[in-house]
Amino acid sequence: DAKTTQPPSMDCAEGRAANLPCNHSTISGNEYVYWYRQIHSQGPQYIIHGLKNNETNEMASLIITEDRKSSTLILPHATLRDTAVYYCIVRVGGGNQGGKLIFGQGTELSVKP
Amino acid sequence: GAVVSQHPSRVICKSGTSVKIECRSLDFQATTMFWYRQFPKQSLMLMATSNEGSKATYEQGVEKDKFLINHASLTLSTLTVTSAHPEDSSFYICSAPDSKETQYFGPGTRLLVL
Repeated sequence: DAKTTQPPSMDCAEGRAANLPCNHSTISGNEYVYWYRQIHSQGPQYIIHGLKNNETNEMASLIITEDRKSSTLILPHATLRDTAVYYCIVRVGGGNQGGKLIFGQGTELSVKP
Repeated sequence: GAVVSQHPSRVICKSGTSVKIECRSLDFQATTMFWYRQFPKQSLMLMATSNEGSKATYEQGVEKDKFLINHASLTLSTLTVTSAHPEDSSFYICSAPDSKETQYFGPGTRLLVL
């Protein structure tokens, strides 16, 4: 699976949009981009994923560049409860055996009042 | 999203004893589950892939005789830490993919070996 690069930490003001970048320049055509977050001492929480089109759900939006070498997770109105470590993971789709997720160091997002 | 549970949420044991951790998919079936370990201030490290009805697949450097995995049904996988030592103290987390291959994680089990 392709490797991802994320900034180690970011700050965001409460109520503002949080834009978390991720580089995955070696991504293959059949690899999806997944985003998870982990709040302290809890299991990771699934946020969103996509292949090449932009995606939006109730939690966030995922913007993937046309060449698919990078993506941005957008939390439109960050709250204090969004403070967490955010992981961008690239993973091959198709079958559970190929579905393992390899975690990098992620971005520690701090939402400040 | 789908729900994955773990039991116990935390356990303290004496050095040399064995500890069993359960991972259950509550509202879906999973032929494959994954076990991770996380040390303080570090990211999750994949330990092994649990396969229903067959042997687990371990990542490089993970001792299969120390971390026994059993995937006896489509909703339950267990991880047994055998002859636990203080260096095994960690946060153990499991995950399972739903029918759309999105993985959902359990809440984790904090193990402290004295």
